Amino acid sequence: AQSVAQPEDQVNVAEGNPLTVKCTYSVSGNPYLFWYVQYPNRGLQFLLKYITGDNLVKGSYGFEAEFNKSQTSFHLKKPSALVSDSALYFCAVRFSSGGSYIPTFGRGTSLIVHP
Amino acid sequence: DGGITQSPKYLFRKEGQNVTLSCEQNLNHDAMYWYRQDPGQGLRLIYYSQIVNDFQKGDIAEGYSVSREKKESFPLTVTSAQKNPTAFYLCASSIGRNTNTDTQYFGPGTRLTVL
Repeated sequence: AQSVAQPEDQVNVAEGNPLTVKCTYSVSGNPYLFWYVQYPNRGLQFLLKYITGDNLVKGSYGFEAEFNKSQTSFHLKKPSALVSDSALYFCAVRFSSGGSYIPTFGRGTSLIVHP
Repeated sequence: DGGITQSPKYLFRKEGQNVTLSCEQNLNHDAMYWYRQDPGQGLRLIYYSQIVNDFQKGDIAEGYSVSREKKESFPLTVTSAQKNPTAFYLCASSIGRNTNTDTQYFGPGTRLTVL
């Protein structure tokens, strides 16, 4: 079975500091990994995804994520946080074979960026 | 929120009533999904459809029903059998069937409250 974990319910960071939102997964095959962001009372917006190739993936709004196969992680990062980055972030995983193509979502991490 | 619309934005239901949530997409996507979002629980899959006139139960289908008579439309009915329907409902779509690398595109959501 596929699963994904976001170990932190909330992450607090000061504006201008780097931020990291963590995601780990459990897999029986090769994973396809996604990050989405949700602003209050809105739908999810796609940020970036890892399919294959370079382990460092760059996405929207200056976000990037690094795929680490040995640690089964796909942490979301940004070098300098903005107050407007405050939102709910979801990691999702799909698998290349042997599993459902339906994505599994983490429970979400609330990012709060303080001025 | 791309080319997916959901209506209404807010919906109030009395106990014992059935209500239908609308989801329409103009992205020419084959696959569509319904998720339920509760605080701290992430997204849980209710139903999904890979093609017109076909749909599959997700993890929490009890008390819900769907139809897929047209490619662009995937309405969700919350029946009186759903014991705790108060939640935020999200519709999504993606390009293909059984394609693990597809990005999902989400609608803006419907907040359902049972009075």
